[in-house]
Amino acid sequence: AQKITQTQPGMFVQEKEAVTLDCTYDTSDPSYGLFWYKQPSSGEMIFLIYQGSYDQQNATEGRYSLNFQKARKSANLVISASQLGDSAMYFCAIESGSARQLTFGSGTQLTVLP
Amino acid sequence: DAGITQSPRYKITETGRQVTLMCHQTWSHSYMFWYRQDLGHGLRLIYYSAAADITDKGEVPDGYVVSRSKTENFPLTLESATRSQTSVYFCASTSGYGNTIYFGEGSWLTVV
Repeated sequence: AQKITQTQPGMFVQEKEAVTLDCTYDTSDPSYGLFWYKQPSSGEMIFLIYQGSYDQQNATEGRYSLNFQKARKSANLVISASQLGDSAMYFCAIESGSARQLTFGSGTQLTVLP
Repeated sequence: DAGITQSPRYKITETGRQVTLMCHQTWSHSYMFWYRQDLGHGLRLIYYSAAADITDKGEVPDGYVVSRSKTENFPLTLESATRSQTSVYFCASTSGYGNTIYFGEGSWLTVV
């Protein structure tokens, strides 16, 4: 079974500063993928970034980067230069199994302060 | 570029009624999923499908039925709705491992 742990229920960050959202995972699958999604107050799930377990380099997508430490089983999301529009719930998820299903963490509510 | 769409977006139904949530994707993705999200929680997998006519149970399948006669459609049916099934339901799809998993906008279901 797969498990995702997000230990920060809520976080605050000042606008234009960087913030790190923590995610640790547990899986027995040798091959897996890690996703981060953003869920604003409107409710939709927005894909941010993906890291495969065999990827050598940390994934980056614009202001988002994934700090992947395989030995520690962590996949932290780093948001650089925070914007007010980044205020949302952020979910970490692990993809595994033959049908690529996702197991989600409980989420981190990020609030960006002006 | 419709992507993945869900209907209805909002639904109020009574206990014991049958409800079907529709999911349609335009990408011909092989894999489709149904998740539910309860207030203040992450998403939990209800059912998934690896291809047309292939479906399997996820973490919380009780009280739900799915079918997938066509690749692009993956309806979720609550055979006899209960209050505990009040939730937000998300459909998702992907072409396979290592590819982005896209979500629909969600269907808000209230069972009274």
